[in-house]
Amino acid sequence: NAGVTQTPKFQVLKTGQSMTLQCAQDMNHNSMYWYRQDPGMGLRLIYYSASEGTTDKGEVPNGYNVSRLNKREFSLRLESAAPSQTSVYFCASSEAVTEQYFGPGTRLTVT
Amino acid sequence: GQQLNQSPQSMFIQEGEDVSMNCTSSSIFNTWLWYKQDPGEGPVLLIALYKAGELTSNGRLTAQFGITRKDSFLNISASIPSDVGIYFCAGQGIYGGSQGNLIFGKGTKLSVKP
Repeated sequence: NAGVTQTPKFQVLKTGQSMTLQCAQDMNHNSMYWYRQDPGMGLRLIYYSASEGTTDKGEVPNGYNVSRLNKREFSLRLESAAPSQTSVYFCASSEAVTEQYFGPGTRLTVT
Repeated sequence: GQQLNQSPQSMFIQEGEDVSMNCTSSSIFNTWLWYKQDPGEGPVLLIALYKAGELTSNGRLTAQFGITRKDSFLNISASIPSDVGIYFCAGQGIYGGSQGNLIFGKGTKLSVKP
């Protein structure tokens, strides 16, 4: 089992560019999450999907969109990247809300 | 909204020492989790706690769910160099919907004493 995988591992964007971060899990979990991690801020929830076909906003959703493509995959899209979106992005999955399992992260820099 | 206060923010360890850290909240939580994050990696789940007063061990790590349901503690006994990293607590609130999602502390960074 690979667990939770994320692509790409690193990305540099110019302000205004768009991109999609990909996440997949092979644990047959119902719920999936996107977090961002900034120095001194801990992990903050961007969006989550409690089950296939549903998505909801988390604490910091502005500037992002998500798609729960199927039970395995949950993507995060930045339509017009801003320097404030420079961060490390983590995808996670869980069977219930608790015991979330994280991917290795995507390190994004917006210049 | 719900917030977690994690302390200490950072600490230095010498091999063989015991280490303690804790998380407190102003509101009640149903579940407490402890994660460890190594540099360049995602957080890895160490221990999950589901009942007030619960004490759970995972090797040299022991965590407790506080009786008041507003705090949790993590102890590492006889620390070794590979214990360095950032430890995060996370709690699940008592409310449903989006307010039932995990809230994360800001982390305790463990480093080796120079």
